[in-house]
Amino acid sequence: NAGVMQNPRHLVRRRGQEARLRCSPMKGHSHVYWYRQLPEEGLKFMVYLQKENIIDESGMPKERFSAEFPKEGPSILRIQQVVRGDSAAYFCASSPKGSSTGELFFGEGSRLTVL
Amino acid sequence: GQNIDQPTEMTATEGAIVQINCTYQTSGFNGLFWYQQHAGEAPTFLSYNVLDGLEEKGRFSSFLSRSKGYSYLLLKELQMKDSASYLCAVRDSTGANNLFFGTGTRLTVIP
Repeated sequence: NAGVMQNPRHLVRRRGQEARLRCSPMKGHSHVYWYRQLPEEGLKFMVYLQKENIIDESGMPKERFSAEFPKEGPSILRIQQVVRGDSAAYFCASSPKGSSTGELFFGEGSRLTVL
Repeated sequence: GQNIDQPTEMTATEGAIVQINCTYQTSGFNGLFWYQQHAGEAPTFLSYNVLDGLEEKGRFSSFLSRSKGYSYLLLKELQMKDSASYLCAVRDSTGANNLFFGTGTRLTVIP
């Protein structure tokens, strides 16, 4: 029973390039969350999605960042025209619909380095 | 909005007991979570409190006081492998289910 799968685990981009991070939730989970963790800082909420719907994107920067969770396939966090400040670990989490505790299950993260 | 505070770092001795505190201020409250995160790894779920009181799970216990906006995580019989960051997170009451995390407490267990 695979957990939350994220890829790539490590990604290096030059300034101005695009970064695309993928997340496959746990089997049976229909809710996906993206968090960003800067070095020595806590997890910052970015966006919450269900299949084909963005439920809450209040933590997402207004420019250059976008997220989707299509009917088929993984959720994707896209960062366009990356800058050095985008260097961080990006964690995806999932939860099943109707979870009584609301526990989130996290993936191993994708570590983005912008040169 | 949400404001979650916890100490940045703590050190404790193997075999001892350590208490990690967390205070929070939220516009709505629908549960408090503790996660453990080893360096370079995914956060893993430790405990969940939604009602006041103590929840015990093996060597780990978590306490919540909603009126005080306060929680603590208690770790007993510390082991070297308990060296990690401990993240306090609250879920607001909007129904979106997303969690808001504190900056985490880095615990170092020494022999």
